[in-house]
Amino acid sequence: DADVTQTPRNRITKTGKRIMLECSQTKGHDRMYWYRQDPGLGLRLIYYSFDVKDINKGEISDGYSVSRQAQAKFSLSLESAIPNQTALYFCATSRGLASYNEQFFGPGTRLTVL
Amino acid sequence: EDQVTQSPEALRLQEGESSSLNCSYTVSGLRGLFWYRQDPGKGPEFLFTLYSAGEEKEKERLKATLTKKESFLHITAPKPEDSATYLCAVQGGSEKLVFGKGTKLTVNP
Repeated sequence: DADVTQTPRNRITKTGKRIMLECSQTKGHDRMYWYRQDPGLGLRLIYYSFDVKDINKGEISDGYSVSRQAQAKFSLSLESAIPNQTALYFCATSRGLASYNEQFFGPGTRLTVL
Repeated sequence: EDQVTQSPEALRLQEGESSSLNCSYTVSGLRGLFWYRQDPGKGPEFLFTLYSAGEEKEKERLKATLTKKESFLHITAPKPEDSATYLCAVQGGSEKLVFGKGTKLTVNP
């Protein structure tokens, strides 16, 4: 089954460390997204990419950067992790066609910054 | 600014007790309203897309409806395995999804 995968699934790190979260998809979708989820705040968009050469900031991009290495790969980096970046991180993909806008989510990465 | 408000925040039902979840929204140029199911510690699972007022979609015990201001997710004769958090999201002219905070549904046997 075509899928969205995320690595690592869990990560504990220390304040100031650089962290990279990776996302791969076999759905053949052009659009990819990074979200974070915090209790009581819901899902918030960090960055999104409509194709390999297109990168856009979302609602909460400060402290994060991304790289779209290929159609199927989209990485999220925390250059210098801080404790309030502790959250569940989700990658998502979509076709981006007028009648097929639904996004499909990966299993998530639980990140803890000590 | 696009906004989504879901109510109630939490709902506890007995098995077989039907009910509805509400999603109120404001959006500039609705392109789609989406319902997702999320189990603890897992990624949201896509359920439905609704595109215009009056549209309805069904899947097993779930039925989603849409008006110009809100959407309802009706759950008929729920089972314990329907317990999850249900998320609503809208997509407007910006093409980004804006999510509500979800309704946590618990169905007791």
